[in-house]
Amino acid sequence: EPEVTQTPSHQVTQMGQEVILRCVPISNHLYFYWYRQILGQKVEFLVSFYNNEISEKSEIFDDQFSVERPDGSNFTLKIRSTKLEDSAMYFCASKRVQETQYFGPGTRLLVL
Amino acid sequence: AQKVTQAQTEISVVEKEDVTLDCVYETRDTTYYLFWYKQPPSGELVFLIRRNSFDEQNEISGRYSWNFQKSTSSFNFTITASQVVDSAVYFCALVLEGANNLFFGTGTRLTVIP
Repeated sequence: EPEVTQTPSHQVTQMGQEVILRCVPISNHLYFYWYRQILGQKVEFLVSFYNNEISEKSEIFDDQFSVERPDGSNFTLKIRSTKLEDSAMYFCASKRVQETQYFGPGTRLLVL
Repeated sequence: AQKVTQAQTEISVVEKEDVTLDCVYETRDTTYYLFWYKQPPSGELVFLIRRNSFDEQNEISGRYSWNFQKSTSSFNFTITASQVVDSAVYFCALVLEGANNLFFGTGTRLTVIP
Protein backbone atom coordinates (compact mmCIF):
# COMPACT_ATOMS: atom_id res chain seq x y z
CA GLU A 1 0.00 0.00 0.00
CA PRO A 2 1.47 3.40 -0.95
CA GLU A 3 2.43 5.64 1.91
CA VAL A 4 3.85 9.05 2.65
CA THR A 5 7.52 8.96 3.57
CA GLN A 6 9.58 11.55 5.42
CA THR A 7 13.27 12.11 5.95
CA PRO A 8 15.07 12.42 8.23
CA SER A 9 13.22 10.71 11.06
CA HIS A 10 15.15 12.81 13.58
CA GLN A 11 17.04 16.06 13.21
CA VAL A 12 19.02 17.96 15.80
CA THR A 13 20.13 21.48 14.96
CA GLN A 14 21.53 24.57 16.58
CA MET A 15 19.35 27.63 17.05
CA GLY A 16 19.65 29.93 14.06
CA GLN A 17 20.49 27.18 11.60
CA GLU A 18 18.42 26.37 8.55
CA VAL A 19 16.74 22.99 8.28
CA ILE A 20 14.99 21.28 5.41
CA LEU A 21 12.50 18.54 6.10
CA ARG A 22 11.68 16.26 3.23
CA CYS A 23 8.56 14.40 2.28
CA VAL A 24 7.55 12.13 -0.56
CA PRO A 25 3.76 12.20 -0.83
CA ILE A 26 1.73 9.36 -2.24
CA SER A 27 2.34 9.43 -5.97
CA ASN A 28 -1.12 10.19 -7.34
CA HIS A 29 -2.01 12.70 -4.65
CA LEU A 30 -2.51 16.34 -5.54
CA TYR A 31 -2.72 18.16 -2.21
CA PHE A 32 0.16 18.36 0.22
CA TYR A 33 0.35 19.54 3.78
CA TRP A 34 2.65 20.20 6.68
CA TYR A 35 1.52 19.95 10.29
CA ARG A 36 3.47 20.15 13.50
CA GLN A 37 2.99 18.68 16.95
CA ILE A 38 4.83 20.19 19.88
CA LEU A 39 5.59 17.47 22.40
CA GLY A 40 2.48 16.39 24.27
CA GLN A 41 0.22 18.79 22.40
CA LYS A 42 -2.23 18.52 19.56
CA VAL A 43 -1.42 18.45 15.89
CA GLU A 44 -1.53 21.90 14.28
CA PHE A 45 -1.90 22.84 10.63
CA LEU A 46 0.95 24.79 9.07
CA VAL A 47 0.39 24.97 5.33
CA SER A 48 -1.31 23.39 2.35
CA PHE A 49 0.06 23.24 -1.17
CA TYR A 50 -1.75 22.57 -4.41
CA ASN A 51 -0.91 23.13 -8.05
CA ASN A 52 2.58 24.34 -7.15
CA GLU A 53 1.52 27.06 -4.80
CA ILE A 54 0.47 27.59 -1.23
CA SER A 55 -3.29 27.37 -0.95
CA GLU A 56 -3.58 28.12 2.73
CA LYS A 57 -1.32 28.77 5.68
CA SER A 58 -1.78 29.23 9.39
CA GLU A 59 -0.50 31.98 11.68
CA ILE A 60 2.34 29.69 12.69
CA PHE A 61 3.66 29.65 9.13
CA ASP A 62 5.54 32.94 9.21
CA ASP A 63 8.35 34.25 7.02
CA GLN A 64 10.80 31.80 8.55
CA PHE A 65 8.97 28.93 6.86
CA SER A 66 8.79 28.04 3.20
CA VAL A 67 7.64 25.05 1.19
CA GLU A 68 8.67 23.79 -2.16
CA ARG A 69 7.98 20.97 -4.56
CA PRO A 70 11.33 20.93 -6.35
CA ASP A 71 10.53 17.97 -8.55
CA GLY A 72 7.67 15.60 -9.25
CA SER A 73 8.04 13.64 -6.06
CA ASN A 74 9.50 15.64 -3.17
CA PHE A 75 7.76 18.18 -0.99
CA THR A 76 9.97 20.13 1.41
CA LEU A 77 9.54 22.36 4.42
CA LYS A 78 12.37 24.81 5.11
CA ILE A 79 12.83 26.65 8.35
CA ARG A 80 15.21 29.48 7.62
CA SER A 81 16.53 30.30 11.08
CA THR A 82 15.38 27.84 13.70
CA LYS A 83 14.24 28.87 17.14
CA LEU A 84 13.98 26.80 20.28
CA GLU A 85 10.20 26.81 19.97
CA ASP A 86 10.41 25.16 16.56
CA SER A 87 11.26 21.91 18.33
CA ALA A 88 8.39 19.60 17.44
CA MET A 89 7.32 16.64 15.37
CA TYR A 90 6.62 17.72 11.81
CA PHE A 91 4.18 15.70 9.78
CA CYS A 92 3.71 15.74 6.06
CA ALA A 93 0.35 14.65 4.65
CA SER A 94 -1.17 14.24 1.23
CA LYS A 95 -4.50 13.51 -0.33
CA ARG A 96 -6.10 13.06 -3.70
CA VAL A 97 -9.44 14.77 -4.17
CA GLN A 98 -11.25 12.94 -1.39
CA GLU A 99 -10.98 14.47 2.02
CA THR A 100 -8.78 11.88 3.72
CA GLN A 101 -5.28 13.12 4.42
CA TYR A 102 -2.68 10.43 4.88
CA PHE A 103 0.21 11.26 7.13
CA GLY A 104 3.85 10.37 6.98
CA PRO A 105 5.74 9.02 9.99
CA GLY A 106 6.99 12.46 11.00
CA THR A 107 10.34 14.15 11.53
CA ARG A 108 11.26 14.90 15.10
CA LEU A 109 13.12 18.21 15.14
CA LEU A 110 15.11 19.30 18.16
CA VAL A 111 16.55 22.80 18.24
CA LEU A 112 19.31 23.36 20.79
CA ALA B 1 -14.90 28.77 13.96
CA GLN B 2 -14.27 25.08 14.19
CA LYS B 3 -13.40 23.25 17.36
CA VAL B 4 -12.86 19.64 18.39
CA THR B 5 -12.99 18.69 22.04
CA GLN B 6 -11.69 15.49 23.53
CA ALA B 7 -12.45 15.92 27.19
CA GLN B 8 -10.72 12.71 28.27
CA THR B 9 -7.03 13.43 28.54
CA GLU B 10 -6.01 9.96 29.70
CA ILE B 11 -7.83 6.67 30.12
CA SER B 12 -6.52 3.43 31.55
CA VAL B 13 -8.31 0.12 31.14
CA VAL B 14 -7.44 -3.46 31.82
CA GLU B 15 -7.00 -5.70 28.82
CA LYS B 16 -10.25 -7.08 27.41
CA GLU B 17 -12.32 -4.24 28.78
CA ASP B 18 -14.34 -2.08 26.40
CA VAL B 19 -13.49 1.61 26.24
CA THR B 20 -15.16 4.61 24.62
CA LEU B 21 -13.27 7.71 23.57
CA ASP B 22 -15.39 10.83 23.34
CA CYS B 23 -15.24 13.51 20.69
CA VAL B 24 -17.41 16.60 20.48
CA TYR B 25 -17.10 19.05 17.62
CA GLU B 26 -18.32 22.52 16.76
CA THR B 27 -18.94 23.97 13.36
CA ARG B 28 -21.57 26.09 11.64
CA ASP B 29 -20.98 24.42 8.31
CA THR B 30 -23.36 21.75 7.17
CA THR B 31 -20.85 19.74 5.13
CA TYR B 32 -17.79 18.45 6.88
CA TYR B 33 -15.79 15.33 7.54
CA LEU B 34 -14.81 13.76 10.83
CA PHE B 35 -11.82 11.55 11.41
CA TRP B 36 -10.09 9.44 13.99
CA TYR B 37 -6.34 8.97 13.92
CA LYS B 38 -4.21 6.76 16.13
CA GLN B 39 -0.75 7.82 17.29
CA PRO B 40 1.14 4.85 18.74
CA PRO B 41 4.28 5.36 20.87
CA SER B 42 6.39 5.32 17.70
CA GLY B 43 4.80 8.66 16.80
CA GLU B 44 3.21 8.23 13.40
CA LEU B 45 -0.41 9.19 12.72
CA VAL B 46 -2.50 6.29 11.50
CA PHE B 47 -5.80 6.97 9.80
CA LEU B 48 -8.67 4.96 11.27
CA ILE B 49 -11.91 6.31 9.86
CA ARG B 50 -13.56 9.14 7.96
CA ARG B 51 -17.19 10.09 8.20
CA ASN B 52 -19.04 12.77 6.23
CA SER B 53 -21.68 14.92 7.86
CA PHE B 54 -24.52 13.37 5.91
CA ASP B 55 -23.79 9.81 6.92
CA GLU B 56 -24.86 9.12 10.47
CA GLN B 57 -24.71 5.39 10.18
CA ASN B 58 -22.61 3.80 12.85
CA GLU B 59 -19.67 1.81 11.63
CA ILE B 60 -17.96 -1.27 12.92
CA SER B 61 -14.57 -2.52 11.87
CA GLY B 62 -13.44 -5.52 13.84
CA ARG B 63 -13.09 -4.43 17.47
CA TYR B 64 -13.54 -0.77 16.55
CA SER B 65 -16.86 0.99 16.27
CA TRP B 66 -17.88 4.58 15.81
CA ASN B 67 -21.06 6.37 16.87
CA PHE B 68 -21.79 9.58 14.99
CA GLN B 69 -24.65 11.70 16.33
CA LYS B 70 -25.25 15.08 14.73
CA SER B 71 -27.86 15.96 17.34
CA THR B 72 -25.18 16.06 20.00
CA SER B 73 -22.26 16.91 17.65
CA SER B 74 -20.44 13.84 18.81
CA PHE B 75 -18.33 11.22 17.09
CA ASN B 76 -17.38 8.68 19.71
CA PHE B 77 -15.03 5.76 19.25
CA THR B 78 -15.38 2.46 21.05
CA ILE B 79 -12.78 -0.28 21.28
CA THR B 80 -14.21 -3.63 22.28
CA ALA B 81 -12.10 -6.18 24.15
CA SER B 82 -9.11 -3.83 24.32
CA GLN B 83 -5.60 -5.14 23.77
CA VAL B 84 -2.21 -3.85 24.85
CA VAL B 85 -1.48 -2.90 21.22
CA ASP B 86 -4.36 -0.43 21.41
CA SER B 87 -2.29 1.72 23.77
CA ALA B 88 -1.81 5.00 21.94
CA VAL B 89 -2.97 8.57 21.72
CA TYR B 90 -6.17 8.87 19.72
CA PHE B 91 -7.06 12.08 17.92
CA CYS B 92 -10.42 13.15 16.61
CA ALA B 93 -10.30 15.68 13.77
CA LEU B 94 -12.61 17.77 11.60
CA VAL B 95 -12.26 19.27 8.14
CA LEU B 96 -14.79 21.38 6.30
CA GLU B 97 -15.85 20.54 2.78
CA GLY B 98 -13.35 22.05 0.37
CA ALA B 99 -11.08 23.29 3.14
CA ASN B 100 -7.46 22.38 3.66
CA ASN B 101 -6.72 22.18 7.30
CA LEU B 102 -7.66 19.44 9.67
CA PHE B 103 -8.70 20.68 13.11
CA PHE B 104 -7.46 18.23 15.69
CA GLY B 105 -8.64 17.65 19.20
CA THR B 106 -6.10 17.50 21.98
CA GLY B 107 -6.10 13.72 21.95
CA THR B 108 -6.87 10.99 24.46
CA ARG B 109 -4.05 8.82 25.73
CA LEU B 110 -5.29 5.27 26.14
CA THR B 111 -3.28 2.83 28.20
CA VAL B 112 -4.31 -0.80 28.16
CA ILE B 113 -2.92 -2.67 31.12
CA PRO B 114 -2.16 -6.34 30.64
